[in-house]
Amino acid sequence: GQQLNQSPQSMFIQEGEDVSMNCTSSSIFNTWLWYKQEPGEGPVLLIALYKAGELTSNGRLTAQFGITRKDSFLNISASIPSDVGIYFCAGPSGTYKYIFGTGTRLKVLA
Amino acid sequence: DVKVTQSSRYLVKRTGEKVFLECVQDMDHENMFWYRQDPGLGLRLIYFSYDVKMKEKGDIPEGYSVSREKKERFSLILESASTNQTSMYLCASRKLMGPGGSPLHFGNGTRLTVT
Repeated sequence: GQQLNQSPQSMFIQEGEDVSMNCTSSSIFNTWLWYKQEPGEGPVLLIALYKAGELTSNGRLTAQFGITRKDSFLNISASIPSDVGIYFCAGPSGTYKYIFGTGTRLKVLA
Repeated sequence: DVKVTQSSRYLVKRTGEKVFLECVQDMDHENMFWYRQDPGLGLRLIYFSYDVKMKEKGDIPEGYSVSREKKERFSLILESASTNQTSMYLCASRKLMGPGGSPLHFGNGTRLTVT
């Protein structure tokens, strides 16, 4: 099925570093969602964005809804080992369906 | 906090068995979804339900059926399990409010192995 393009695909960073990732779409979205998934677990909602240009924080996480409405960005500041996981974006496709990003796999080295 | 509970974390079933995966949400959400997640293929929608007793096929409904008799519960049924249905199954729910709806909230997943 269709997927959103996420980059980078994977990141290995040192504890304490900041992380940036983005998600792009070929079509306009009115909602962007960011999730984190740890191995063997279900995705957990981190941030939901509803308006172009919106900047929303959740602790050390900050996400932005791109002004073109075709992209979104997630930043993690001062990473810690428990930030390890796969981060993916999602956007609605029609009334009931969602398109999901390909995921960014984050590994944090202590 | 929204809680979506899947009845089993791990299941091992034999080929040909009928398999039931149960999902319960506690937030009075109208919409419920079943996805499967496979490496390299991402999340694929199997079925969804926009309200009680309502169901719609997703992108890969073959070999599956669903039941939604009560608002809080959405069941996925594998009529005759096959090895290609070995996967991580994720249930999700959301409150419908405006275009696109509110965010999806996922359960912890059921890792199903069919031997």
